[in-house]
Amino acid sequence: AQTVTQSQPEMSVQEAETVTLSCTYDTSESDYYLFWYKQPPSRQMILVIRQEAYKQQNATENRFSVNFQKAAKSFSLKISDSQLGDAAMYFCAYRPQFGNEKLTFGTGTRLTIIP
Amino acid sequence: NAGVTQTPKFQVLKTGQSMTLQCAQDMNHEYMSWYRQDPGMGLRLIHYSVGAGITDQGEVPNGYNVSRSTTEDFPLRLLSAAPSQTSVYFCASRQGKNSPLHFGNGTRLTVT
Repeated sequence: AQTVTQSQPEMSVQEAETVTLSCTYDTSESDYYLFWYKQPPSRQMILVIRQEAYKQQNATENRFSVNFQKAAKSFSLKISDSQLGDAAMYFCAYRPQFGNEKLTFGTGTRLTIIP
Repeated sequence: NAGVTQTPKFQVLKTGQSMTLQCAQDMNHEYMSWYRQDPGMGLRLIHYSVGAGITDQGEVPNGYNVSRSTTEDFPLRLLSAAPSQTSVYFCASRQGKNSPLHFGNGTRLTVT
C-alpha cells in the first residue's frame, strides 16, 4: 500500500526567509503524481504544486519549488521569500497514474511565519 | 464558475440521526470524491465516482452511502450518525486522470 510521510508536524520561518518542508512516500509504482496542498485557517484546500514522476525536472510555481528525488522517494517543498500569507497547513499527497483513484495524503506540516 | 460547492458548512447531529452532505460542481468534471479530515491523520478517501452512475468505495466507506445520478452532484449520506463520524468532510472533483483535484470548502460535522 502507498504511504506518505511528513515527519515535521510543525515548522516556522522568519518572513522573507526560505523554508523546506519534507515529504517521503512509499510505492511500488513507477508512474505517479505528487502534490503539495496548502490549507489556510479558512479550511480551503489549495493546490500549490504538482509533479509527474516521469519528469526529471523539478516543478516550480513562482516562490514554490520542489526537490523530487525519485530513487529516494522524496518530494520536498521549498518556499522562498516567505510571506505572512504562507502560514498554513501543508499536505503532501500521492496518486498513481493508473488504476487506483485514491489520493493518499500525509499528516501535514503546520507552517508558521514569524514577522 | 462556482467550482465545487458544499452545503452545509456546519452541522450538528445526534447519534442515530441521518443526513446528507451535498456536493455540486459546475466544471463538468467526471471524477468526484469525498474525503474526511481528522486531526493528525490527513485526509482519507470515503467514496469516489468516475462518472454518472458509477461509484466505488475508498479507504473508509463504512457508515456512508453515495450515489451519482448526474455529472454535477455527488451527495454523501450518513445513515445513522455516530460520534466517530465527527470530522471535516471535503468533496473534490477533477476532469481527467492527469488533472489535479479541486476541493470544496468543507463541512464540519459534529455528532453528539
